[in-house]
Amino acid sequence: GENVEQHPSTLSVQEGDSAVIKCTYSDSASNYFPWYKQELGKGPQLIIDIRSNVGEKKDQRIAVTLNKTAKHFSLHITETQPEDSAVYFCAASSNDYKLSFGAGTTVTVRA
Amino acid sequence: SQTIHQWPATLVQPVGSPLSLECTVEGTSNPNLYWYRQAAGRGLQLLFYSVGIGQISSEVPQNLSASRPQDRQFILSSKKLLLSDSGFYLCAWSVRGQSSYNSPLHFGNGTRLTVT
Repeated sequence: GENVEQHPSTLSVQEGDSAVIKCTYSDSASNYFPWYKQELGKGPQLIIDIRSNVGEKKDQRIAVTLNKTAKHFSLHITETQPEDSAVYFCAASSNDYKLSFGAGTTVTVRA
Repeated sequence: SQTIHQWPATLVQPVGSPLSLECTVEGTSNPNLYWYRQAAGRGLQLLFYSVGIGQISSEVPQNLSASRPQDRQFILSSKKLLLSDSGFYLCAWSVRGQSSYNSPLHFGNGTRLTVT
């Protein structure tokens, strides 16, 4: 099955700086890569996703890049704000009903 | 708009006791339904998914079972809880008939289960 690795496990950034989270996947058939944000005591919420037919997608301060050859994808958050502090999960799917998730990255934005 | 409800939000149960967690979805018909478990400091592990009433697929052999008695209701159960069943249980839905490629997962706010 699909194996998704996520790094780093924790990330502390100064407010206004950028944050980058990287994930690798093992199944070359994977073609859908969502990112979720989980705030304390809540379920994960989808923040952005990318499909295998594009290499980059941006939504305001959030961007995701995908390198299918290297089988890795990354989340970029620019101009970080305190409300960006949360746990972020990457995931990958090969066009079935199952998403395989990374272990998560705890992001702390320091004021 | 679609909403997903899970209850209870927190639960403390002794080892050997039964378990029943319920999840319902509103505002959509015939959804795909999922149960995930999140252990502390770890990712989300898919436990069960369902593409229709009475259709349950199990991903991990374990002490738990799932049922879907109604179209928008998904229940996670155990006859006898183990200490290792402690964790954060999340229900999710996606649009029926579409794989995750076309329809992302939408999660509930989870149930924190502590087995003592």
